[in-house]
Formats: sequence, structure tokens, C-alpha cells
Amino acid sequence: NAGVTQTPKFRILKIGQSMTLQCTQDMNHNYMYWYRQDPGMGLKLIYYSVGAGITDKGEVPNGYNVSRSTTEDFPLRLELAAPSQTSVYFCASSRQGEGYTFGSGTRLTVV
Amino acid sequence: QQQVKQSPQSLIVQKGGISIINCAYENTAFDYFPWYQQFPGKGPALLIAIRPDVSEKKEGRFTISFNKSAKQFSLHIMDSQPGDSATYFCAERVPVMDSNYQLIWGAGTKLIIKP
Repeated sequence: NAGVTQTPKFRILKIGQSMTLQCTQDMNHNYMYWYRQDPGMGLKLIYYSVGAGITDKGEVPNGYNVSRSTTEDFPLRLELAAPSQTSVYFCASSRQGEGYTFGSGTRLTVV
Repeated sequence: QQQVKQSPQSLIVQKGGISIINCAYENTAFDYFPWYQQFPGKGPALLIAIRPDVSEKKEGRFTISFNKSAKQFSLHIMDSQPGDSATYFCAERVPVMDSNYQLIWGAGTKLIIKP
């Protein structure tokens, strides 16, 4: 099992550019999440999904969008990148909110 | 907004000592308390978890203790080793709408074990 796979691992964006962070899980988990983690800080929930076709905002959704068309995939879209979006992004999945499995993260820098 | 208050923010312990991290929760509609361990450059990984029907759970050198009356739960790391140096997060699972659940996370504790 690969678990949760995130791509890319690193990315530098210019202000105003857009990009999609990919996340795929092969554990048939119903819940999926996107978090951001700023240096030395905790996890902030951006968006989450409890199943295909169902998404909801977390604590810090502004500037981001998500979709969940399949159980496996949960991409995060950044529109009009801003320096405040410089962070490490983690995707995670779980079964009913227990035993989260995290991906290895995407380190994003907006310049 | 619901919170889980984690302390201390950082902790330095000598090799072989006991590391103790505490979390205080607000939401009493919980059913599951996990602890996650995060090494630099990696995603958090589940370390150990407890349900509120037990007061203590031990896995190797790691023990969770739960005090329902004080609304606190703690992680104890016995015989701490340099390889335990990491950031530790506590969390509380609470129900939200439509029979779904969310984890409320603590802010994390950076643990350094000195050789």
C-alpha cells in the first residue's frame, strides 16, 4: 500500500499564479483533509471531505478550492497565489475520523 | 471555537528521563484521543490513541493517561531517547453534523532529548 501520495513535493510559484496540489489515497478511506503547517506551528485545516462529492470548509479556506469526484483523489487548488500561502501542505485521510494517515507534504513558496 | 490546549510548547529532557506533555480539552462530546509524532520534513504519524472508557494505555515506552474530571490527557515517554526528538500533537475527536467527526488539534510540543 502506498498510503497517501502527494505531488509535487516542492514548488515555487510567482504571485498571482495558480496551481493544483494532488493527493491520492489507496486505503479506501472515506474522509480526506487538507492542512497547512507554517514553520514551527501547528496544523490548520483548510478543507475536508467526508466522501465523494461532499466537501466542506475548515479553519482557513480563503484562497483555496477543492473537489472530490472519487474516493481516492482530493486535489487542492490555489488560485492567485499570494506570499501568505507560503507553507507546507499536508493531505491526510482517515476512516470516520480515526487513525489519520498523512502524506509527506508539499513545500510551497510564493515569491 | 473549540480548543485543545497543549503544553508545554517546547521541552528539553535528558536521555533516559521522562517526557510529559499535557493536553486540556473543552468539548466533552469526545470519543477518541490520539497522539501524533512528527519528525522534521515528514507528515505527522499516529503514535498512540486512547478512548475515554479507560484511564491509561501503554505501548512500549509511551503511555497515555486520561483524567476525565480534570478534562486532561497526557503523554508520558519513559526512558526518553534522542530518536524521540520530534514534535508531538494531541487531538480530540468530536462529532459534527450528520454523524461525521472531526479532530481538534493541539498546537504541538517540540521535544528535544539531549544525549
